[in-house]
Amino acid sequence: DAKTTQPTSMDCAEGRAANLPCNHSTISGNEYVYWYRQIHSQGPQYIIHGLKNNETNEMASLIITEDRKSSTLILPHATLRDTAVYYCIVRVGRISSGSARQLTFGSGTQLTVLP
Amino acid sequence: EAGVAQSPRYKIIEKRQSVAFWCNPISGHATLYWYQQILGQGPKLLIQFQNNGVVDDSQLPKDRFSAERLKGVDSTLKIQPAKLEDSAVYLCASSGGQLDPEAFFGQGTRLTVV
Repeated sequence: DAKTTQPTSMDCAEGRAANLPCNHSTISGNEYVYWYRQIHSQGPQYIIHGLKNNETNEMASLIITEDRKSSTLILPHATLRDTAVYYCIVRVGRISSGSARQLTFGSGTQLTVLP
Repeated sequence: EAGVAQSPRYKIIEKRQSVAFWCNPISGHATLYWYQQILGQGPKLLIQFQNNGVVDDSQLPKDRFSAERLKGVDSTLKIQPAKLEDSAVYLCASSGGQLDPEAFFGQGTRLTVV
């Protein structure tokens, strides 16, 4: 799996958009970008994933650059409950079995939403 | 749907003692993972099961760690004997349901070895 680079920490004011960057310059053509977050004392939680098009769901938006070497996770209106560590992971997409399904976590970005 | 269940939630043991953690994945999920998360770091995969078979245990310290998945459902991770550096949160995750590629994680077991 390709390695990712994320800032160690970020702050965001409550109610504002939180933009979390991720660099994945060695991503392969069949690898997707996944985002998970981990709230304190909980297990990681899936947020969103994408291949090359921008994606949006009820939690967040994912913007992937045209060359796919970087992406940004956007939380449109951050709340205090969004304070968490956010992990950007690249992985081969929908496959039935095998070790390629594994998620390899880096250190992530600690997002702190300030009141 | 019910989430991934883990027990116990917390465990404190002395070094050289043994400990076991239990995981019940989401019903129907064929793939089960055990991760170790040391304070301040991201989770690190220890072992991956597909049904009741091991897919990858390359990062499992096999001299002291063992894991099994009975009948392809519940799983147990054991450490014997424990070392101080085994202090961590042990996370279980499962995937393979209708909402694949999501992996669903349990809340973890926090182990402290003193």
